[in-house]
Amino acid sequence: GESVGLHLPTLSVQEGDNSIINCAYSNSASDYFIWYKQESGKGPQFIIDIRSNMDKRQGQRVTVLLNKTVKHLSLQIAATQPGDSAVYFCAAETGGSYIPTFGRGTSLIVHP
Amino acid sequence: GAVVSQHPSWVICKSGTSVKIECRSLDFQATTMFWYRQFPKQSLMLMATSNEGSKATYEQGVEKDKFLINHASLTLSTLTVTSAHPEDSSFYICSASDHSYEQYFGPGTRLTVT
Repeated sequence: GESVGLHLPTLSVQEGDNSIINCAYSNSASDYFIWYKQESGKGPQFIIDIRSNMDKRQGQRVTVLLNKTVKHLSLQIAATQPGDSAVYFCAAETGGSYIPTFGRGTSLIVHP
Repeated sequence: GAVVSQHPSWVICKSGTSVKIECRSLDFQATTMFWYRQFPKQSLMLMATSNEGSKATYEQGVEKDKFLINHASLTLSTLTVTSAHPEDSSFYICSASDHSYEQYFGPGTRLTVT
């Protein structure tokens, strides 16, 4: 089955720096990927998504990069702010299942 | 738009009792609802998927007789934890999906069983 993991459990950055959160997935058939942000005691919040026919997608202050060759994706947050402190999950879907498999999560800590 | 609510946001119950958690889509019709469980510092684990008017589809390892799911309308799904035990203490999160299949997550319910 699908397994989705993240490389680092915790990432600490200074306010204003750029943050990069990485994710690896195992199923080469995965074709849709989503990044979620989860603040303490709350449900996940959609940040950005990307389909497998793309290798880069940009949003407001966020960019997702997808490397299908090595089954890796990353979330880049520009000019990280204290409000970005949260746990970030990547998730992968396969074949139009519409049911994402979540990775373990990376806790982003932004120091003022 | 696309707001999902859960009630209660937290609940404490005694071991052996049952607890019902509600998940509502407030401004759209949810053809499919999902229930997840999340332990501290861990990821979300899908428990079951339910379509309105149908029986829920449970993931492997999830006891359907213990976690009763009802999706009686296009805006409401309930999860009942029956005969709760301390090991059932967890953060339960629902999500709802409309015809676009994008998932909208609720705020979660913290269950503590004493």
